[in-house]
Amino acid sequence: GAGVSQSPSNKVTEKGKDVELRCDPISGHTALYWYRQSLGQGLEFLIYFQGNSAPDKSGLPSDRFSAERTGGSVSTLTIQRTQQEDSAVYLCASSLITGGGNEKLFFGSGTQLSVL
Amino acid sequence: QKEVEQDPGPLSVPEGAIVSLNCTYSNSAFQYFMWYRQYSRKGPELLMYTYSSGNKEDGRFTAQVDKSSKYISLFIRDSQPSDSATYLCAFKGGYQKVTFGIGTKLQVIP
Repeated sequence: GAGVSQSPSNKVTEKGKDVELRCDPISGHTALYWYRQSLGQGLEFLIYFQGNSAPDKSGLPSDRFSAERTGGSVSTLTIQRTQQEDSAVYLCASSLITGGGNEKLFFGSGTQLSVL
Repeated sequence: QKEVEQDPGPLSVPEGAIVSLNCTYSNSAFQYFMWYRQYSRKGPELLMYTYSSGNKEDGRFTAQVDKSSKYISLFIRDSQPSDSATYLCAFKGGYQKVTFGIGTKLQVIP
């Protein structure tokens, strides 16, 4: 597609359940980012992929959070044993790495996760 | 001290007004300075991108960077109701992580 695609757009789950969030980046974009946006908290960095490897996963809040990327394309963010504080909008972004350091992020519309 | 400070607003202005949005930062490693615009229920979209201190203009939008004061601004001239959105400042150092401000919610009243 023309832009970054995220699915599902909305996810309601019960506390303790596992969830998987999917991101399809723009074709050809080698870098992929996950951010979390909570009310009043701004965008919180979670993890960054370059190709299939994750050189920076410093933002993952706990070991309940994991992410993978396959084929240098689709990425999945998994949250195990969800807690109410995990409720937020999870945003994915991709960029084309040019080597100049001035890569620009293109965001999807996000997945609104609600943990009851 | 937070790495990025941005007033969350909300900021309400009449149509046609000049809007000034600002952020301060503390990380001297930031080299790239950006403004993103986010409409409700959408992801942020890049609005302005600058590298050096000084001004950059694009239509009704002007981005200003003052590295010595660690202060960036976005000016919107002749504001329109369609400019109503949340504006996020963003910063990037030599590696790939982009750090965002909390966002300022702007409402332009017709």
